[in-house]
Amino acid sequence: DGGITQSPKYLFRKEGQNVTLSCEQNLNHDAMYWYRQDPGQGLRLIYYSQIVNDFQKGDIAEGYSVSREKKESFPLTVTSAQKNPTAFYLCASRGGWTGQETQYFGPGTRLLVL
Amino acid sequence: QKEVEQDPGPLSVPEGAIVSLNCTYSNSAFQYFMWYRQYSRKGPELLMYTYSSGNKEDGRFTAQVDKSSKYISLFIRDSQPSDSATYLCAMSARVKGNKLVFGAGTILRVKS
Repeated sequence: DGGITQSPKYLFRKEGQNVTLSCEQNLNHDAMYWYRQDPGQGLRLIYYSQIVNDFQKGDIAEGYSVSREKKESFPLTVTSAQKNPTAFYLCASRGGWTGQETQYFGPGTRLLVL
Repeated sequence: QKEVEQDPGPLSVPEGAIVSLNCTYSNSAFQYFMWYRQYSRKGPELLMYTYSSGNKEDGRFTAQVDKSSKYISLFIRDSQPSDSATYLCAMSARVKGNKLVFGAGTILRVKS
């Protein structure tokens, strides 16, 4: 089955700890995205990557870091610098062919602070 | 002012009703318009995709785009309890990165 997987489903972070959220896709999509979703707010873009070994900051990149070493994988690290990390994190990917602007989402990871 | 405005609801309707969900936007460069459905604690799933102005129909769902008014709508006919979810509008301009801008989402509740 083609799709986007995210793990873990739930993640708990202690104060001062860095945690990494996994995102994998087998859709052969070039672009990948990370969003944060808080109650009552729309999705806010954290980072995005259009090709391997390249990524750009989104609207709320502070306290987060990413890497894109493989086309299929785009992990997100929530660092200790992110003071309010509790949220629902969504990974998305987009195909590269002309005219296809839509993004497809994974099931999400819920991050909670202990 | 937000780039995309969407009434958060909740919107409660009886089963079988016609539902109208709407978004307004301020950026005239937006050309691509999408509607996503998100069930509780799940990732959004794409419902409808429209390029530029006009209507698009898919089963019980109809998407409308009025670029002159900067207004988009999603209509759901014969609504079902399984349609109860949050509906997110999203849009983008044809620029580098193809970043989507999302509305806050409207919570829909269809009562049986």
